[in-house]
Amino acid sequence: DAGVIQSPRHEVTEMGQEVTLRCKPISGHDYLFWYRQTMMRGLELLIYFNNNVPIDDSGMPEDRFSAKMPNASFSTLKIQPSEPRDSAVYFCASNMDRTGTDTQYFGPGTRLTVL
Amino acid sequence: ILNVEQSPQSLHVQEGDSTNFTCSFPSSNFYALHWYRWETAKSPEALFVMTLNGDEKKKGRISATLNTKEGYSYLYIKGSQPEDSATYLCASLSGSARQLTFGSGTQLTVLP
Repeated sequence: DAGVIQSPRHEVTEMGQEVTLRCKPISGHDYLFWYRQTMMRGLELLIYFNNNVPIDDSGMPEDRFSAKMPNASFSTLKIQPSEPRDSAVYFCASNMDRTGTDTQYFGPGTRLTVL
Repeated sequence: ILNVEQSPQSLHVQEGDSTNFTCSFPSSNFYALHWYRWETAKSPEALFVMTLNGDEKKKGRISATLNTKEGYSYLYIKGSQPEDSATYLCASLSGSARQLTFGSGTQLTVLP
């Protein structure tokens, strides 16, 4: 398996533009997590899905952020409109956690810069 | 505010030294404690998952212990090597939720 795949790896955009980040989880994993990593707040969970259904989106910072998982092999995180304070590395992770003890497998991340 | 605390924030050791660092987490409603190793420009990779009080896990020169009653875990590295240089993250999972709460990490630099 290729592991968790994220695209793009780097994104530079201007304030006000829409940004879409993409994630392909490991096949067979039914949990998918979106994280944001910043210097100030470290690695924080934004939202997670189980069997394509959003379970907890309490970490999504505001209405400008939205996430979808239309099928088991694809998820998107969208920011519209983007702002400079959204600049961060966004990680996607997946696992097949039945018991709460499975490790999460992280993708390589998308480094987002909003000018 | 992170309620998973790691110390020290950063650490420099000489090659061959043994070292350890701490992860503190809420002991109430504890479910699992994860350790990850995160190299610069890469993604976090899992080291251990521990659930039981007194658990001890080992992978090569790296080991970890868990005290769920007092809410802490130690990560030990024996005979540090330059390739051990990374940020070591711990994350706790409480209750029936599936979301991990991460600490801010301990950044280890092993000097040759």
